[in-house]
Amino acid sequence: GENVEQHPSTLSVQEGDSAVIKCTYSDSASNYFPWYKQELGKRPQLIIDIRSNVGEKKDQRIAVTLNKTAKHFSLHITETQPEDSAVYFCAAFGGATNKLIFGTGTLLAVQP
Amino acid sequence: DAGVTQSPTHLIKTRGQQVTLRCSPKSGHDTVSWYQQALGQGPQFIFQYYEEEERQRGNFPDRFSGHQFPNYSSELNVNALLLGDSALYLCASSSPRGNQPQHFGDGTRLSIL
Repeated sequence: GENVEQHPSTLSVQEGDSAVIKCTYSDSASNYFPWYKQELGKRPQLIIDIRSNVGEKKDQRIAVTLNKTAKHFSLHITETQPEDSAVYFCAAFGGATNKLIFGTGTLLAVQP
Repeated sequence: DAGVTQSPTHLIKTRGQQVTLRCSPKSGHDTVSWYQQALGQGPQFIFQYYEEEERQRGNFPDRFSGHQFPNYSSELNVNALLLGDSALYLCASSSPRGNQPQHFGDGTRLSIL
């Protein structure tokens, strides 16, 4: 079945450093890739998304890249701040089943 | 502009009981998806409703059922509750036109004793 792998499971960086989270999807027909940020006890919040006809998208300190050939997509956060600390989930949508499949999450800790 | 709202926020049940969770989609959205999020895991897709019909379903048993009303709100019903059903149940709404972003509600925390 469809699968999304996400690495690393935990990531600790110093304030001001960059953070990169990587995901791999199995269904080559997937065509939409959102990223969600979930703070403890709160809802997942959409922070950025990318569609399969685009290779890169940027929004201020956040960027996402997509490599359709390798079925990889990554989240890049620059100039990290303590308020970036949260669990980040990647997801892949589309393909044969039209379901949104989530990765297992990355706990990002930004040390002040 | 109201976002996705879910009720109740917390619920405690015992094994074997039945539960109904409710969701109102974001204004302008007509598609509702339900997810189960166990502690420390990513959301798992349960099913999606559009035009009052179940359009997609994940790998969940028939004990999980749902409904969508003409005003696009939705209910998730779980029968014969098991301890393993303890989780955060999230509702997300979206537009069905193409691959539109899904916006989540705050969820219902269900605890089974």
